[in-house]
Amino acid sequence: DTAVSQTPKYLVTQMGNDKSIKCEQNLGHDTMYWYKQDSKKFLKIMFSYNNKELIINETVPNRFSPKSPDKAHLNLHINSLELGDSAVYFCASSLQRTFQETQYFGPGTRLLVL
Amino acid sequence: RKEVEQDPGPFNVPEGATVAFNCTYSNSASQSFFWYRQDCRKEPKLLMSVYSSGNEDGRFTAQLNRASQYISLLIRDSKLSDSATYLCVVSLSGGYNKLIFGAGTRLAVHP
Repeated sequence: DTAVSQTPKYLVTQMGNDKSIKCEQNLGHDTMYWYKQDSKKFLKIMFSYNNKELIINETVPNRFSPKSPDKAHLNLHINSLELGDSAVYFCASSLQRTFQETQYFGPGTRLLVL
Repeated sequence: RKEVEQDPGPFNVPEGATVAFNCTYSNSASQSFFWYRQDCRKEPKLLMSVYSSGNEDGRFTAQLNRASQYISLLIRDSKLSDSATYLCVVSLSGGYNKLIFGAGTRLAVHP
């Protein structure tokens, strides 16, 4: 029944490590997103893919690399993790890429970098 | 200046109270407007879209004033279950569904 799922739910790691977060949606949506919610609870878009094509790429360090193997999956790989990367990362999806579409969020991945 | 600004909160209100949240946005190209709700340690969920004519969904009423670039949310007859953070969200025009979130206003409804 899960619409947008993410793994892992929690991730604790050391500075300098490389980690990946996976996202899957079973809604049949074309568009998927990665958001970051920092310690001040401010939610900000990082990337968006539409049918495997990158369409939004905000000012994000190039240590962050999204990959979409198909339109139901969007992964986020982070190289050389830094303390400031600690946050909650939310995946979301929408039926289409247009501005009227509702976005549905996954449960989030809580990343803590030590 | 932040792109979307909201009342700082928190709002602490008794059950049954009416509470209003305000929000302003800076980009006049904004085309779609939403209120999302986020419970503690959970994901944001759409509460309602906001239309120029104003819209109501049960105890919730949303208003949009494009001239003033102002959005509001009114909650009547507050319930304990309304306790959450309310996020004002705008989406710009164009081919991309890029949501810009406000920092959120926390609501605590007490017995």
